[in-house]
Amino acid sequence: QQPVQSPQAVILREGEDAVINCSSSKALYSVHWYRQKHGEAPVFLMILLKGGEQKGHEKISASFNEKKQQSSLYLTASQLSYSGTYFCGTGRSGGSYIPTFGRGTSLIVHP
Amino acid sequence: EAEVAQSPRYKITEKSQAVAFWCDPISGHATLYWYRQILGQGPELLVQFQDESVVDDSQLPKDRFSAERLKGVDSTLKIQPAELGDSAMYLCASSLRARLDEQFFGPGTRLTVL
Repeated sequence: QQPVQSPQAVILREGEDAVINCSSSKALYSVHWYRQKHGEAPVFLMILLKGGEQKGHEKISASFNEKKQQSSLYLTASQLSYSGTYFCGTGRSGGSYIPTFGRGTSLIVHP
Repeated sequence: EAEVAQSPRYKITEKSQAVAFWCDPISGHATLYWYRQILGQGPELLVQFQDESVVDDSQLPKDRFSAERLKGVDSTLKIQPAELGDSAMYLCASSLRARLDEQFFGPGTRLTVL
């Protein structure tokens, strides 16, 4: 089942902070975050694993609440280059990992 | 830096014609994914391979779509016959291990069905 992302869109000025949320109705083993710029392929940002292991990228951080089946992506002091659509991808606990992506959150950073 | 290769980058076809897309994953990546992405939505998994075996193809419209990864390296996705609703971006991605590692996406094939 597709994870739900919120908000659908965020508009910021450079230097402002943003939080993007991802929630699932199913138990999660891992959460992947990707950013996609217009006309380009998604690019990996971060993986969060059950048990707390985290792999990061750039100055973006994230959290993973296994009990609530939620993850949040934190973009601090946004830069113009942060603009794009952010997707979370989830995999079900146990068995084979079958990735499912949310519908995305569009982030626009203005000067 | 190693990249996932896809071809063609763009394909325009008429409905009822056959189309094929090719993907060459990063060397050594056992897991290969084919996604379809409609504008404004997230990638939707069509088929996932582990080496040459299909792990999941539950979202693949099997009456018209087929995918293969015969030697566990490169892969082909075919649509026959193409329908207007198949117009989308088709993305290929690969990873070392499905659960624990990032997916590297190719540039995609933009399909337009007229």
